[in-house]
Amino acid sequence: QVTLKESGPVLVRPTETLTLTCTVSGFSLRNPRMGVTWIRQPPGKALEWLAHIFSNDEKSFSPSLRARLTISKDTSKSQVVLTLTNMDPVDTATYYCARTIVVVPASLGNGMDVWGQGTTVTVPS
Amino acid sequence: SYELTQPPSVSVSPGQTARITCSGDALSRRYTYWYQQTSGQAPVLVIYEDNKRPSGIPERFAGSSSGTMATLTISGARVADEADYYCYSTDSSGDYSGAFGGGTRLTVL
Repeated sequence: QVTLKESGPVLVRPTETLTLTCTVSGFSLRNPRMGVTWIRQPPGKALEWLAHIFSNDEKSFSPSLRARLTISKDTSKSQVVLTLTNMDPVDTATYYCARTIVVVPASLGNGMDVWGQGTTVTVPS
Repeated sequence: SYELTQPPSVSVSPGQTARITCSGDALSRRYTYWYQQTSGQAPVLVIYEDNKRPSGIPERFAGSSSGTMATLTISGARVADEADYYCYSTDSSGDYSGAFGGGTRLTVL
């Protein structure tokens, strides 16, 4: 059974750095066709794609947040870590991680199949 | 950044067919995925690679794609299908950055 679980702080103060961890089970971060994507959803708003990382360490970031985001993985711990610097109240959201499958051929893109339950992060004004 | 466009809302009566569209410049070159999100829950994949259904998703959910538009069709919509639906795809750049549509609220009443 594939599962993903997000963990991290519930409250982050403005200007601080958010660090979130996604712990996966039921699949390996070494699988060449799999990776992990982070997505967030502000209260009452749409899903927003943030970043992904694949087994070969290929990474991609949202253009609007690229300067503030980092993503890394620890394959031995089955964990993917996302950091978002200089937090602001507009970053208040539920943050999800999801398993991502690379299509064959890869030129057709990728997509998420299993999502974590999400973790809510609040940045007070 | 890459944009996918969905109608904000679609409304049908129970038993009718609901169609939710998603348009994007790269959809002719990239697969589209559809996610269902009910209030307070994590999104659930209902269609992948344009038109494939994951196991456990009812046959009344179908996907199609033509040119720069993808469509999620729910045949014989039920009240239980009321939810927000999001399309997802990747852009045409070499790093395959992802993007979601703005979401469509489906009302069945």
